[in-house]
Amino acid sequence: GQQLNQSPQSMFIQEGEDVSMNCTSSSIFNTWLWYKQDPGEGPVLLIALYKAGELTSNGRLTAQFGITRKDSFLNISASIPSDVGIYFCAGRKAAGNKLTFGGGTRVLVKP
Amino acid sequence: DAGVIQSPRHEVTEMGQEVTLRCKPISGHDYLFWYRQTMMRGLELLIYFNNNVPIDDSGMPEDRFSAKMPNASFSTLKIQPSEPRDSAVYFCASSSVNAEQPQHFGDGTRLSIL
Repeated sequence: GQQLNQSPQSMFIQEGEDVSMNCTSSSIFNTWLWYKQDPGEGPVLLIALYKAGELTSNGRLTAQFGITRKDSFLNISASIPSDVGIYFCAGRKAAGNKLTFGGGTRVLVKP
Repeated sequence: DAGVIQSPRHEVTEMGQEVTLRCKPISGHDYLFWYRQTMMRGLELLIYFNNNVPIDDSGMPEDRFSAKMPNASFSTLKIQPSEPRDSAVYFCASSSVNAEQPQHFGDGTRLSIL
C-alpha cells in the first residue's frame, strides 16, 4: 500500500547528541503523527500535528508540520539511551480516519 | 486507564490451522483498526470499523482473512486456513469519534505459522 517516505531508515546515536528524522509524501495530509515503537510493544504516540506550519514540543521532542502539508520532521534533543527504538511517522487525510505510515527510522546506540 | 488489549500475545501454529486474534478497544472509542507489521512491508492497515461496522477492508490480503466486531468492546481477526506467509505481528488500534484524536495501539500478537 501507499507509504510515506521516511528517512533515514536507521541511525546511530551517542548520548547527548541531537537526532533528526523526516517524512515526505507526494500527497497532502491534514494530520501528521509521530509514534515510537519499543521491542515487543505497539507504537506509542509521541506528538500529533494538526495545522500546516505547526511546531509542537513534547519534552526533548520537537516536531513540525510542513507548510506544504506534504512533509514533517521530528527532532530529539540531547538523546539518552532510552531513545533507542523505531520511530514512525503517520499521515491522515481529510476524509475518514485511516493512517498511512512511513517505513520507520530505527534509532540505535553507537557501540 | 486500560489501553487496547490484545490476545494472545504470541501464537505458534501449523499451517492450515485456523487462527483467531482478539482485541478489546479502549472504552468509548468508536473506531477500531487491525494492522499487520512485517519487516518487508512495514505497518499495513488491514481493515477498520466505525461503530462496529466495517468501513474499509481493502487491506485484507485474501479471503482467508476475516474480521468481525460483534459489539463495541470486542473484535476478532481470523485467518483460515493459515499459511507461513501470514507470520507477522498483528496490531489492533482504536480511536474516538473525534476524527482529530489519534489512534492508540495494543501491544500486538506475534503470529508464527510453521
